[in-house]
Amino acid sequence: DQQVKQNSPSLSVQEGRISILNCDYTNSMFDYFLWYKKYPAEGPTFLISISSIKDKNEDGRFTVFLNKSAKHLSLHIVPSQPGDSAVYFCAARAPKGAGGTSYGKLTFGQGTILTVHP
Amino acid sequence: GAVVSQHPSWVICKSGTSVKIECRSLDFQATTMFWYRQFPKQSLMLMATSNEGSKATYEQGVEKDKFLINHASLTLSTLTVTSAHPEDSSFYICSASGLGSGTGELFFGEGSRLTVL
Repeated sequence: DQQVKQNSPSLSVQEGRISILNCDYTNSMFDYFLWYKKYPAEGPTFLISISSIKDKNEDGRFTVFLNKSAKHLSLHIVPSQPGDSAVYFCAARAPKGAGGTSYGKLTFGQGTILTVHP
Repeated sequence: GAVVSQHPSWVICKSGTSVKIECRSLDFQATTMFWYRQFPKQSLMLMATSNEGSKATYEQGVEKDKFLINHASLTLSTLTVTSAHPEDSSFYICSASGLGSGTGELFFGEGSRLTVL
């Protein structure tokens, strides 16, 4: 049962344009959502997160939007840069004792390969 | 941000041997560490959760006798792949959370590429 889904395996964007990466989830107990960026043969690096009590969080070029009613979140990158090319994973966390085995356990989506062309 | 280090970053071994991968939190006390596995072009799959000083909790389908996890201190967790076989070849990633590591995000190690011949 895939509780976190990223339905677009890849996305190609022109430099300077906006990149929008989408993520859907099914578990209403998730209370915290995160986006990670990953290069091949490296561990994921944290990008930005959002609590379920908010609907938007912004950090520089990165903005995450959360629509709880739709169980949907998205990551906007603007303007996109070639260095942003990587695999982006969304992840969700359930509170301890509410479907999660421990604080910090994350469920990841399948990832979206973002390619930003110069 | 907090730093998590994994070692070795890559290892090649013969079938039937055991391989140990270390995960260290360098600047915070990791009360909980997580071990993930990633197959090519797939998501990170949680294998097990380890809490310092107690037995690891394994996810469904993960053989605890094959993937031995030890979390003996607040800064070190080890994953030992016992009697490795070619199907165990994968990218193994640890992550850690704990005191001083932030409110929600996990910090990940660099990953360890295991190739079993």
